[in-house]
Amino acid sequence: GQNIDQPTEMTATEGAIVQINCTYQTSGFNGLFWYQQHAGEAPTFLSYNVLDGLEEKGRFSSFLSRSKGYSYLLLKELQMKDSASYLCAVRDSNYQLIWGAGTKLIIKP
Amino acid sequence: EAQVTQNPRYLITVTGKKLTVTCSQNMNHEYMSWYRQDPGLGLRQIYYSMNVEVTDKGDVPEGYKVSRKEKRNFPLILESPSPNQTSLYFCASSDSAGDYNEQFFGPGTRLTVL
Repeated sequence: GQNIDQPTEMTATEGAIVQINCTYQTSGFNGLFWYQQHAGEAPTFLSYNVLDGLEEKGRFSSFLSRSKGYSYLLLKELQMKDSASYLCAVRDSNYQLIWGAGTKLIIKP
Repeated sequence: EAQVTQNPRYLITVTGKKLTVTCSQNMNHEYMSWYRQDPGLGLRQIYYSMNVEVTDKGDVPEGYKVSRKEKRNFPLILESPSPNQTSLYFCASSDSAGDYNEQFFGPGTRLTVL
């Protein structure tokens, strides 16, 4: 079966750095997405990786290793507004998105 | 403004009473999808559509129907809702299913079936 694993919850301090990991086992691979979802709101797109390596976008970076079935989202200079759930999703060989359950990130002052 | 809209945003209904949740996008996207989100389970796809008159089952299609008569609209129909369909529902659209194409989500519909 297809599976995406992420930690359920993480806590970090304002101003610090946090890394959210995602491991996947899917039928084929056609890209990995990270989305941010604030409580009660719709997910919004953060990043996309299809080749191995690091993609940087401001305070957020995403890394992919296809051989290891592994990705991480790195958030720097954490702000209180970064408190949200972070969803990892992999597009499989049928170009369908397989979603992880999400990681709830709690930022403390 | 480019957006995906859903209606209603909140709905409380009773078992067996047919309902429709509407979804509309103004970005001329070919691909549209319906998800349900339940605590601890993440987003699960119900149905998706690659284009007008083309729909396919996702991971959890039982108890749901969809139609795609126009490119912009993708309604979700619950013919006989049951309490296990109580959930948060999201409609999403993207330019196409392949390559780099982020999905744009509607604001969500919180459905309670009593």
